[in-house]
Amino acid sequence: EAQVTQNPRYLITVTGKKLTVTCSQNMNHEYMSWYRQDPGLGLRQIYYSMNVEVTDKGDVPEGYKVSRKEKRNFPLILESPSPNQTSLYFCASSFGGRTEAFFGQGTRLTVV
Amino acid sequence: GENVEQHPSTLSVQEGDSAVIKCTYSDSASNYFPWYKQELGKRPQLIIDIRSNVGEKKDQRIAVTLNKTAKHFSLHITETQPEDSAVYFCAASRVDDMRFGAGTRLTVKP
Repeated sequence: EAQVTQNPRYLITVTGKKLTVTCSQNMNHEYMSWYRQDPGLGLRQIYYSMNVEVTDKGDVPEGYKVSRKEKRNFPLILESPSPNQTSLYFCASSFGGRTEAFFGQGTRLTVV
Repeated sequence: GENVEQHPSTLSVQEGDSAVIKCTYSDSASNYFPWYKQELGKRPQLIIDIRSNVGEKKDQRIAVTLNKTAKHFSLHITETQPEDSAVYFCAASRVDDMRFGAGTRLTVKP
């Protein structure tokens, strides 16, 4: 089954404790991206990647890192999480910026 | 970069009425305009899209129109049903990037 898989689905952590949210797709998509969803603000892009070893900042990259060592994986890293990073996070993949994006199930992160 | 504005932020209609959601974009290089539906607790999913060489596209009760000159596009849902209740996002995309609007929460009252 074609899908984008994120883990974990839910995470509660403390300020400053490094964490990684994984994202994997099995559709051979070149393009992958991370969004955060906050009430009233919609889906804001954090980082995106057009292919392996190519990543670019989106609208809200501060406090986040990503890597794209393999085509299928695009992990999101929070080196020192803060409470303002409490949000719902979505990973998405597609064949390019001008094609349908497929979203993961979402990761609800709470930083206390 | 691209800026997408979406209105209204909330919309309530009676079952059977029509609903219209409007978006504007800023970057004339954008040429792909998808609409996503997000049901409560679920991931966004594509419901319809339009490319810049087309002015209108329909799929059953859903239609999208695009005015490239004015840089705006709209989603039209006719004969709304309770299961249409969800958050709808518009997006504008260039070759390397997709930007979303802030979303519209549509409520269809039985």
